[in-house]
Amino acid sequence: GQSLEQPSEVTAVEGAIVQINCTYQTSGFYGLSWYQQHDGGAPTFLSYNALDGLEETGRFSSFLSRSDSYGYLLLQELQMKDSASYFCAVGGAGGFKTIFGAGTRLFVKA
Amino acid sequence: DVKVTQSSRYLVKRTGEKVFLECVQDMDHENMFWYRQDPGLGLRLIYFSYDVKMKEKGDIPEGYSVSREKKERFSLILESASTNQTSMYLCASRWSSYNSPLHFGNGTRLTVT
Repeated sequence: GQSLEQPSEVTAVEGAIVQINCTYQTSGFYGLSWYQQHDGGAPTFLSYNALDGLEETGRFSSFLSRSDSYGYLLLQELQMKDSASYFCAVGGAGGFKTIFGAGTRLFVKA
Repeated sequence: DVKVTQSSRYLVKRTGEKVFLECVQDMDHENMFWYRQDPGLGLRLIYFSYDVKMKEKGDIPEGYSVSREKKERFSLILESASTNQTSMYLCASRWSSYNSPLHFGNGTRLTVT
């Protein structure tokens, strides 16, 4: 089967750096994705890693280690608008089936 | 911009009713998905479809069925609604490539009384 684990909550101050970890178990691996969801909104895509290493997109970076079945999302220069839920997701079953973790609620304080 | 439209934002139904949730996407995406979202449980996959008339069970298909007669439309059916199906339902679509991002609709908040 497939499962993902991530912390339920993280709190950080404005301007700081925060890392949200994700460990996964999957039969067949087709990449690790990250999504952001603000309260009342739809999840939106942030990043995708298929290979080991760090991918950077502006203030957000995502890291993957396939040998450790582990990845993280790094948010730099935190802003109040970054307060949201963040989900890691893996693709399996030929890549079609996308499974999400339970989500990490990020609180950014002034 | 990709648009995924769910027919209702809020829906209230009675126990035992047959419920249809509709989802339409305008990007000619091959893959479509139905998730339900509950506090503390994240997004759980109910069913997905990798092409027209094709469907696969997700992790929690019990009590649900789906229909994909046209490429742009993916319907979720609750055969006999129960109170434990009260939830937020999210539809998503994407290209048929595992590195293609999911595009989500705004969700349907279903309450079964």
